[in-house]
Amino acid sequence: QVHLVESGGGVVQPGGSLRLSCAASGFTFNRFGMHWVRQAPGKGLEWIAFIRSDGSSQSYADSVKGRFTISRDDSKHTVYLQMNSLRSEDTALYYCARELVSWGHGARVTVSS
Amino acid sequence: DIVMTQTPLSLSVTLGQPASISCKSSQSLLRSDGKTYLYWYLQKPGQSPQLLIYEVSSRFIGVPDRFSGSGSGTDFTLKISRVEADDVGVYYCMQGIYLHSFGQGTELEIK
Repeated sequence: QVHLVESGGGVVQPGGSLRLSCAASGFTFNRFGMHWVRQAPGKGLEWIAFIRSDGSSQSYADSVKGRFTISRDDSKHTVYLQMNSLRSEDTALYYCARELVSWGHGARVTVSS
Repeated sequence: DIVMTQTPLSLSVTLGQPASISCKSSQSLLRSDGKTYLYWYLQKPGQSPQLLIYEVSSRFIGVPDRFSGSGSGTDFTLKISRVEADDVGVYYCMQGIYLHSFGQGTELEIK
């Protein structure tokens, strides 16, 4: 049974940094690409990042390119989202998802002074 | 960037009646491999999104056959043949041909 648990959310000031983690279990982690998708309060879904199963390639939405970095550690069955230069508009619930099929419950990030 | 546009943005349906949601993409979602990368998700209140339909018309595991997807190129439709109380939530279409992007969402409620 696929299980994804996000952690690392919290409150951060504008311009600050935060790293989200997504711990995976219940499947062969290194065989699947992983995504991050976010949802601002009361808003829709926004895809923000993807990393291939072998970690060889990453892609980003324009809204986070150059500020966010997705990475993975297959030995820990974990995917990360390093978020730098955070802005108020980055406030959202951040989901990790395996191939956009199985989703975690999300980690909340609030960017506020 | 590919823009996904859903209509309507809200839908109020009587139990047992059909419902239909339209999704239009700004570019064709047909790739050279012959597949069309259009997906439908449902986000029930307080829950994470769940995949309903992949590649336009294929139902994901466990999705009732009341749900069906159709369309091609840039125009797609999700239909629910008979709405049930458990179908309440926000429906999103998503493209996966160039990066990924979601439609604005269509909120379905029971009349």
